[in-house]
Amino acid sequence: DIQMTQSPSSLSASVGDRVTITCRASQTIRGYLNWYQHKPAKAPKLLIYAASTLQSGVPLRFSGSGSGTDFTLTISSLQPEDFATYYCQQSYSIPYTFGQGTKLEIK
Amino acid sequence: EVQVVESGGDLVQPGGSLRLSCAASGFTVSNNYISWVRQAPEKGLEWVSVIYAGGERYYTDSVKGRFTISRDTSKNTVYLQMNSLRAEDTAIYYCAREGIASAGLYYFDNWGQGTQVTVSS
Repeated sequence: DIQMTQSPSSLSASVGDRVTITCRASQTIRGYLNWYQHKPAKAPKLLIYAASTLQSGVPLRFSGSGSGTDFTLTISSLQPEDFATYYCQQSYSIPYTFGQGTKLEIK
Repeated sequence: EVQVVESGGDLVQPGGSLRLSCAASGFTVSNNYISWVRQAPEKGLEWVSVIYAGGERYYTDSVKGRFTISRDTSKNTVYLQMNSLRAEDTAIYYCAREGIASAGLYYFDNWGQGTQVTVSS
């Protein structure tokens, strides 16, 4: 199975900050990497697919990059509604696997 | 509007069975890949199972032989039959449709609100 490792596991930041979350795969997954935002008692929400393609309706402050084994999710200017847990996920091979999550909290 | 709605979660004793349903609207389940993803208490997201448009089915190792994914095209619904349930199966279970980009890259583009499964005596 492909292991996905996110860092950091948690992050405190302020509104307006620029934040970056990294995701590393245990083997190459080419560009088969997706990012999700998850808030308590809500359905997870797709933000980025294919490493860098912004899902329709997602604000432009979200961006993704990377290929192979190393990927990043960047939020250019944090907004109050961005405080949530973020997950990366590989769709290169079954079983699909997620990173352990990055909890983004208000400083 | 594309939507999936889960139901069927409950409190069940260890060793018991449960069937979850994922009712789809706005698209046809037989033409799409549908997955089940779960989140145990204080844990992250874990993929459980998928049924492909062509009918192929895959499972994570921890549920192989115990869980079965299926679909009823007349009801446009996907099911997850869960047998021999264990305490570690306790989780919120989400149904998710997979969208597709080029070159076979899939992603979960529509999720339900989830249904709670609790395995406890």
